[in-house]
Amino acid sequence: SQQGEEDPQALSIQEGENATMNCSYKTSINNLQWYRQNSGRGLVHLILIRSNEREKHSGRLRVTLDTSKKSSSLLITASRAADTASYFCATAAISSGSARQLTFGSGTQLTVLP
Amino acid sequence: DTEVTQTPKHLVMGMTNKKSLKCEQHMGHRAMYWYKQKAKKPPELMFVYSYEKLSINESVPSRFSPECPNSSLLNLHLHALQPEDSALYLCASSQDEGITGSPLHFGNGTRLTVT
Repeated sequence: SQQGEEDPQALSIQEGENATMNCSYKTSINNLQWYRQNSGRGLVHLILIRSNEREKHSGRLRVTLDTSKKSSSLLITASRAADTASYFCATAAISSGSARQLTFGSGTQLTVLP
Repeated sequence: DTEVTQTPKHLVMGMTNKKSLKCEQHMGHRAMYWYKQKAKKPPELMFVYSYEKLSINESVPSRFSPECPNSSLLNLHLHALQPEDSALYLCASSQDEGITGSPLHFGNGTRLTVT
């Protein structure tokens, strides 16, 4: 079942602008991950943030995690046309003492206009 | 290109056909997964194999039958599918299925159309 909800569902920005996507989830998690999917391709892992971390950076990506609000955000700075893709958050839930599988959010379709 | 290889890339089959999807990884990962993805939707987990044993079956109809011949290979056997089974089928692998929630490495999928 789907645990995460993302907003916005779709986002269109100009090249060079920053893009922010949000993810909310329902249950306690071990970690939260962000993935990118180009049209017709598989998902690519971008970044993982653990439940005891609040912020993480990787290149032009910045992820925050607020476990009290059960939410995360992904910021892409200085966007490029090549960043056009769908972005999914995925949570590793804690169930019966072990994190077994990832559950994906509904996704944000990002379009970066040249 | 990804380190998880899926074949075929496209498959069209009739409702009475039997076909198989194949997935291969050589990263030494011990967990392998099948996901189904409909257009503009997130991937939905179907099966998980951990150390070559089926560990999760998400109430998938028996017309989908997974098989893990060895730690590098994962198959999905298809029989008597319905048109609503048309989707992108994604294979993924991870180091393990354990408590760390290891990142998934995805193949590029098989685009399946059932006529």
